[in-house]
Amino acid sequence: AQSVTQPDIHITVSEGASLELRCNYSYGATPYLFWYVQSPGQGLQLLLKYFSGDTLVQGIKGFEAEFKRSQSSFNLRKPSVHWSDAAEYFCAVGVTGTASKLTFGTGTRLQVTL
Amino acid sequence: NAGVTQTPKFRVLKTGQSMTLLCAQDMNHEYMYWYRQDPGMGLRLIHYSVGEGTTAKGEVPDGYNVSRLKKQNFLLGLESAAPSQTSVYFCASNSPGQRRYSNQPQHFGDGTRLSIL
Repeated sequence: AQSVTQPDIHITVSEGASLELRCNYSYGATPYLFWYVQSPGQGLQLLLKYFSGDTLVQGIKGFEAEFKRSQSSFNLRKPSVHWSDAAEYFCAVGVTGTASKLTFGTGTRLQVTL
Repeated sequence: NAGVTQTPKFRVLKTGQSMTLLCAQDMNHEYMYWYRQDPGMGLRLIHYSVGEGTTAKGEVPDGYNVSRLKKQNFLLGLESAAPSQTSVYFCASNSPGQRRYSNQPQHFGDGTRLSIL
């Protein structure tokens, strides 16, 4: 069965600093990978996705992620964090099949200090 | 454009009571899902549906039932609520990808916060 690990439960960065959130997955075939962001009291919003092709994918709000098959990783990055980026971030792996089921990591809560 | 709408947004129940959570989507999506979110556990799939009249079990289906009588609606029922079902429930929807078995992103509602005393 597939699984996703987000090793960092909580991260604090200063506004303007760079950010990298880690995500490692376990899946026997080529994965479909997603990053979602959740603001307090809100649902999940898609930041970016990887299906195939270029391993560096660009998303909304200035985020990017790089798929590294050899490391089974899909880390999320942003060069300069804004205070409004404070939220919880979830990595997810999609399973091929007749339904687009997702398996989520446990999330990383990002705090941004001014 | 409403997207995915969940009702109610908040609810408090007593142990043993029953209730139904409603999810409605206006994007003509084939697939719909119910997740629960608990602290430190991410989102876990309860049940899902690949089309009108079809449902299937996810990772944590016990204590829940679902129905998909209309394409745009997906109902989640708790027949006899238990304190362990206190959680935030999210509905999501999407459609099959252009290629067979490809994954399209899921669109999420804003959640229903359910407390069971």
